[in-house]
Amino acid sequence: EVQLVESGGGLVQPGGSLRLSCAASEFTFTTYEMNWVRQAPGKGLECLSYISSSGNTIYYADSVKGRFTISRDNAKNSLYLQMNSLRVEDTAVYYCARVAPTRRTATGTLRLRYFDLWGRGTLVTVSS
Amino acid sequence: QTVVTQEASFSVSPGGTVTLTCGLSSGSVSTTYYPSWYQQTPGQAPRTLIYNTNTRSSGVPDRFSGSILGNKAALTITGAQADDESHYYCALYMASGFWVFGGGTKLTVL
Repeated sequence: EVQLVESGGGLVQPGGSLRLSCAASEFTFTTYEMNWVRQAPGKGLECLSYISSSGNTIYYADSVKGRFTISRDNAKNSLYLQMNSLRVEDTAVYYCARVAPTRRTATGTLRLRYFDLWGRGTLVTVSS
Repeated sequence: QTVVTQEASFSVSPGGTVTLTCGLSSGSVSTTYYPSWYQQTPGQAPRTLIYNTNTRSSGVPDRFSGSILGNKAALTITGAQADDESHYYCALYMASGFWVFGGGTKLTVL
């Protein structure tokens, strides 16, 4: 089954660190751009970080820049999010999400900029 | 800082039609933002409904449609059903190469 499975969430004290993982199955992970998206309790979705298929291009939301690091291991079909200096406001469900690939059409290529596959999420709770 | 705006809540009667919108705090939404829409019920991961403004994702019923209305992206549900009661989020792809989600609309079907 084509899927993404997050792991690594849990309870951590403010100022602590946590590393999230996202395991990809049944698709060619190396060819896909990936993102981390989070959702605080009762709140909306927030795109946190983007990584290109090769890992050479990375973006972060201002809310996590300098504290979180996205990475990937294409040999292991895995995406990671290293979270340092955690704050109470980082409490959320963290999802990994796959970016739909550019499609080849009869007239050229069709660029698609949306999330076509989501994991079920992993809960991170930052509390003392 | 770019803010993507959505109605906080909306109500629709069963069988009715409702249009949810997705705007920008500054400027107009166009197809160049690749508007996409996601449905989320409590405790579940988001489900992709619409991408590239008006293309339905695989398996999405044709009562869901996307468009640009004026200066906003729009999601229209025609013939609303009880199980359409959910949160709906739009996402816009920015020139910076990053996505910004709207705050979401809670849709009630009653």
